[in-house]
Amino acid sequence: AQTVTQSQPEMSVQEAETVTLSCTYDTSESDYYLFWYKQPPSRQMILVIRQEAYKQQNATENRFSVNFQKAAKSFSLKISDSQLGDAAMYFCAVTSGTYKYIFGTGTRLKVLA
Amino acid sequence: GAGVSQSPSNKVTEKGKDVELRCDPISGHTALYWYRQSLGQGLEFLIYFQGNSAPDKSGLPSDRFSAERTGGSVSTLTIQRTQQEDSAVYLCASSLGGTSGGRKTQYFGPGTRLLVL
Repeated sequence: AQTVTQSQPEMSVQEAETVTLSCTYDTSESDYYLFWYKQPPSRQMILVIRQEAYKQQNATENRFSVNFQKAAKSFSLKISDSQLGDAAMYFCAVTSGTYKYIFGTGTRLKVLA
Repeated sequence: GAGVSQSPSNKVTEKGKDVELRCDPISGHTALYWYRQSLGQGLEFLIYFQGNSAPDKSGLPSDRFSAERTGGSVSTLTIQRTQQEDSAVYLCASSLGGTSGGRKTQYFGPGTRLLVL
């Protein structure tokens, strides 16, 4: 069975600063994919970044980057130059040969002006 | 192109009534998923469609829940004899379907917030 753990229920960051959200996972699959989704108050789940487990290079998308530590089964999200619009719930998810996403319980990010 | 759409956006119903929630996936996406998100919780998988068939219904919480998909496109999630514990946000997602990361990526609709009084 696959599991995803987000141990930080809530995080705060000052505007323009950098914050890292943690995620650990467990899977017995060798080929899997990891995702970070953002859910603002509008409820819309928005894909932030995706990482293929077979790729050693960490994925980046503008101000968002991941630190993927495969051996440690860790997949943290770094947000640089935080903006007020980054305030949201952030969910980590894993999927493998099957289609099913396993989600963590989320981290609420507050951005302080 | 248009994203995943869901209707209604909000639904208030009385305990014991039946409700239907609709999902329109992204055009060309063969895979469709339903999730439930209770207040302050993560997402709970309900059911997955590949085309019109549902290979995995294991997440449906009881036989009051059912879903269908027609024409490989629109899907309807039906909850019969609603209970107060059914109150949640119901999210639909779609993907191209396949084994690569890009084809696995799920795109979500805005959800339907269901409140059972």
